[in-house]
Amino acid sequence: EAGVAQSPRYKIIEKRQSVAFWCNPISGHATLYWYQQILGQGPKLLIQFQNNGVVDDSQLPKDRFSAERLKGVDSTLKIQPAKLEDSAVYLCASSSSVPLSKKASEATDTQYFGPGTRLTVL
Amino acid sequence: QKEVEQDPGPLSVPEGAIVSLNCTYSNSAFQYFMWYRQYSRKGPELLMYTYSSGNKEDGRFTAQVDKSSKYISLFIRDSQPSDSATYLCAVNQAGTALIFGKGTTLSVSS
Repeated sequence: EAGVAQSPRYKIIEKRQSVAFWCNPISGHATLYWYQQILGQGPKLLIQFQNNGVVDDSQLPKDRFSAERLKGVDSTLKIQPAKLEDSAVYLCASSSSVPLSKKASEATDTQYFGPGTRLTVL
Repeated sequence: QKEVEQDPGPLSVPEGAIVSLNCTYSNSAFQYFMWYRQYSRKGPELLMYTYSSGNKEDGRFTAQVDKSSKYISLFIRDSQPSDSATYLCAVNQAGTALIFGKGTTLSVSS
């Protein structure tokens, strides 16, 4: 099974420029997440999609960040304009509705992460 | 108060040592408790998960959850240099995004 694909792997831009990241989730996974991981921190959710609808974007800085998931498969995350504090690794994860165990009471999703895009804003 | 607190370390141990990694969380509504391992310049990979309280063992790894004290632990027995990585605890409720700790960087020397 192919994993979550992300591109580019690295990007260096100057502040106030725009940048876009692409994610291709595991085939058949309905849920897609974008996380931001600042150096020395754990990943933090930016946005969660279920198919092509937004489930949670409460932590997405909507004045500069936007994301879409057309056709419920690939997703693009954009930053415009970038700030110095946006320097981070942007991780995409996907999950399916298959439970972690056979017990219905333990139904949840396993999130699989891509390798991330390392963004440096100068 | 942050939702998940984790001592970032770094933690250095000799090969063969027992490693203990810990997190605390604040929201009693969390049901799933996970440990992810992240190698340098890679995405996190799921190592173990626990539903509700209790212990779970997988080879050299044991995960423990104590919901009464909101405490999560990961034990690594007979640690190996290949275990050198950042270990992230994460919590969530079913179908929601993960909330991560800061991660603990572990270095195992041979």
